[in-house]
Amino acid sequence: GAGVSQSPRYKVTKRGQDVALRCDPISGHVSLYWYRQALGQGPEFLTYFNYEAQQDKSGLPNDRFSAERPEGSISTLTIQRTEQRDSAMYRCASSLKPAGQIGNTIYFGEGSWLTVV
Amino acid sequence: SQQGEEDPQALSIQEGENATMNCSYKTSINNLQWYRQNSGRGLVHLILIRSNEREKHSGRLRVTLDTSKKSSSLLITASRAADTASYFCATGKNQGGKLIFGQGTELSVKP
Repeated sequence: GAGVSQSPRYKVTKRGQDVALRCDPISGHVSLYWYRQALGQGPEFLTYFNYEAQQDKSGLPNDRFSAERPEGSISTLTIQRTEQRDSAMYRCASSLKPAGQIGNTIYFGEGSWLTVV
Repeated sequence: SQQGEEDPQALSIQEGENATMNCSYKTSINNLQWYRQNSGRGLVHLILIRSNEREKHSGRLRVTLDTSKKSSSLLITASRAADTASYFCATGKNQGGKLIFGQGTELSVKP
């Protein structure tokens, strides 16, 4: 597609429920990234993939958070047993080159707003 | 935790004036990027400067990088009301795809 596509754009869920956020990267992009952004803050790194391999998940806050990219294209970020503190915008991004290469530009999607009530 | 710190946190100018935003960071990097976040919440890549570059231009944007001071600046010349947005710097290192963002500068350009 023309840009990084995320769904749903807005999600309200009850505390304790599981949520799955989907990301469709720019066609042909090798790397895919997940970030979380609270109001008034900059995005905070969660995890990233080169192709289907999860290279770094050091930013995932705890084991309730997981991500997968089984075929090296679409990715899903799953949050189990959601808590109110999980409320934030979750941004996906992709890049043409494998992550870490010099000059690699990362393109962000519009984000998925998650509200846990 | 975030590495970059933008300065100022908020900036209000008149249309036609230049806007300068600064970013400082703490550890070594291989590139620094500037992003704009508009009111619609989209995050748009503006410009990337590599650690071996000192200055880069793109249209009305001028970015400088001083690795000895661990700082960068973004200059927007002849600002327009449409430039009103939050601007973030983000640093990248050699060991992978992690970008570390600052807290952002809120720019308001009044017509």
